[in-house]
Amino acid sequence: DAKTTQPPSMDCAEGRAANLPCNHSTISGNEYVYWYRQIHSQGPQYIIHGLKNNETNEMASLIITEDRKSSTLILPHATLRDTAVYYCIVEDSGGGADGLTFGKGTHLIIQP
Amino acid sequence: DGGITQSPKYLFRKEGQNVTLSCEQNLNHDAMYWYRQDPGQGLRLIYYSQIVNDFQKGDIAEGYSVSREKKESFPLTVTSAQKNPTAFYLCASSPYSNQPQHFGDGTRLSIL
Repeated sequence: DAKTTQPPSMDCAEGRAANLPCNHSTISGNEYVYWYRQIHSQGPQYIIHGLKNNETNEMASLIITEDRKSSTLILPHATLRDTAVYYCIVEDSGGGADGLTFGKGTHLIIQP
Repeated sequence: DGGITQSPKYLFRKEGQNVTLSCEQNLNHDAMYWYRQDPGQGLRLIYYSQIVNDFQKGDIAEGYSVSREKKESFPLTVTSAQKNPTAFYLCASSPYSNQPQHFGDGTRLSIL
């Protein structure tokens, strides 16, 4: 059973913030939220992960609701190179030591 | 630069033949993984290895085999028993403890 639910596709204008939602209503206390993205015909790229506090790095910000049942990945100033499939993954504190479970993700299309 | 190298990028197999996909990493990571991706789908776990000379089956191991004789290498053999081998194959690695996975750029396998 899928642990996360994401919209299949989203559009965003270049230069705007892209906000990608993810629902994970059955997340348990020791599970982290991970985000990866996959540009066409390449391997997935790690973006960010968090447990319950909001996180920010050079690529993106991750906002996790207080009840941890949903989260939002924010790309602050989207560029055409951010067009990709974005995967929200819930895994235990081992970081997916026994493998990651990928859904179909959200296809984000950045419009010029 | 450290990273994961998968070769070849494209591979063709005749029916009834075994074929081996290469995956090498120079990141000094303990854990390595093989995933399969079909068009429009997320990644599915084939095999993983958390330490040299040990590996475990993932969700779709039937028709595949692996070895882990060296820390830096985790080759995947697609055997003739795999009836639908055409797919995009991705290798990943991670440090053993609570760290994100790093992916190679994949091998696209097709049946002639």
